Amino acid sequence: GAGVSQTPSNKVTEKGKYVELRCDPISGHTALYWYRQSLGQGPEFLIYFQGTGAADDSGLPNDRFFAVRPEGSVSTLKIQRTERGDSAVYLCASSSGRSVQFFGPGTRLTVL
Amino acid sequence: DAKTTQPNSMESNEEEPVHLPCNHSTISGTDYIHWYRQLPSQGPEYVIHGLTSNVNNRMASLAIAEDRKSSTLILHRATLRDAAVYYCIDGKGNSGYALNFGKGTSLLVTP
Repeated sequence: GAGVSQTPSNKVTEKGKYVELRCDPISGHTALYWYRQSLGQGPEFLIYFQGTGAADDSGLPNDRFFAVRPEGSVSTLKIQRTERGDSAVYLCASSSGRSVQFFGPGTRLTVL
Repeated sequence: DAKTTQPNSMESNEEEPVHLPCNHSTISGTDYIHWYRQLPSQGPEYVIHGLTSNVNNRMASLAIAEDRKSSTLILHRATLRDAAVYYCIDGKGNSGYALNFGKGTSLLVTP
């Protein structure tokens, strides 16, 4: 079956611009996670959704970052006023309740 | 910060067993031990998890110390496709919610 998909695979933007990153989870998975991975580091948790609501957003670095999941399926991670330090691979994962997380291939964001 | 400690890198010959160690000295009684791996340019992939007993699946085996302060991921016959970064994670519940990755162990497999 289809796995987790993320679009775009690559995004290049300029400092100060707004970007949206999309995640399509595995069908039927109620839990969705966003992580960020900088070069040479392990993934870092950003936010966790259970259904439509953000159950844990403690990993969001500041208020420039926001994520939604309005219908409990697709999620969008939104970054306002991007900074060069936001450059990283943004990973999305989904799971069926409290179980194994399945990751997408990630979106590589480059802020110039 | 990650609550586990792993060597930065390890090397193995193809078709030999590999033992990847992990220390999790602050683990609580209800925290599971999870292993994920990340192949180059891909998202992490689940490998195995366990609580107290040793676990086996088609990918690997997980040996958990009796005091649960350490564990070892065992790849029985390394292949070139097993070259990846292996992450040991301790988390609450059957999976935990957020996975708290560290830097992992980069495994190099040589022919």
